[in-house]
Amino acid sequence: QKEVEQDPGPLSVPEGAIVSLNCTYSNSAFQYFMWYRQYSRKGPELLMYTYSSGNKEDGRFTAQVDKSSKYISLFIRDSQPSDSATYLCAITNNNAGNMLTFGGGTRLMVKP
Amino acid sequence: GAGVSQSPRYKVAKRGQDVALRCDPISGHVSLFWYQQALGQGPEFLTYFQNEAQLDKSGLPSDRFFAERPEGSVSTLKIQRTQQEDSAVYLCASSFIGRETQYFGPGTRLLVL
Repeated sequence: QKEVEQDPGPLSVPEGAIVSLNCTYSNSAFQYFMWYRQYSRKGPELLMYTYSSGNKEDGRFTAQVDKSSKYISLFIRDSQPSDSATYLCAITNNNAGNMLTFGGGTRLMVKP
Repeated sequence: GAGVSQSPRYKVAKRGQDVALRCDPISGHVSLFWYQQALGQGPEFLTYFQNEAQLDKSGLPSDRFFAERPEGSVSTLKIQRTQQEDSAVYLCASSFIGRETQYFGPGTRLLVL
């Protein structure tokens, strides 16, 4: 079993839909939670970063962490075709230089 | 400002060849990481540098993989006697020391034939 599990998708939604992306993790030592967006043939780009349970909002994006359930989510409101990408959750436990443990990524397609 | 840069962007190697992949981190970033991303998968940790010191190489898949950062800035990932299973995207990331957020380069796409 991988330390971080993520549904690979693909997830196809119409423009304007609310998107929910999720990851589960097994190691309770993980403390910092990130979401990266990766366009085809590009490197991952940091979207959201949080270290506590609860919600964090940034524009159309909301990151949610539930440490008791070891469950993290990313919500995208009013999704746009430009949001079509692979979304990677990444988690670290603030040691070993903060190496990131990634989920497998969820491929999202937003259709106009 | 300039982000993390990697070169070459694409590399085709014949099985058995040696390859060298270069990473230029963001200026001032002490921490540097290498990750390997197989097709359709998330990146997996290979190795970590703090300045010129390689503090963690637990993710390197075999002794054919070697990384260095001799002056604490540019880093090179070398793969000797490449095998087909080495085909992947190799990502470099950098960060300020002690910071959790890492900034990634565009990656080098390696194809071993």
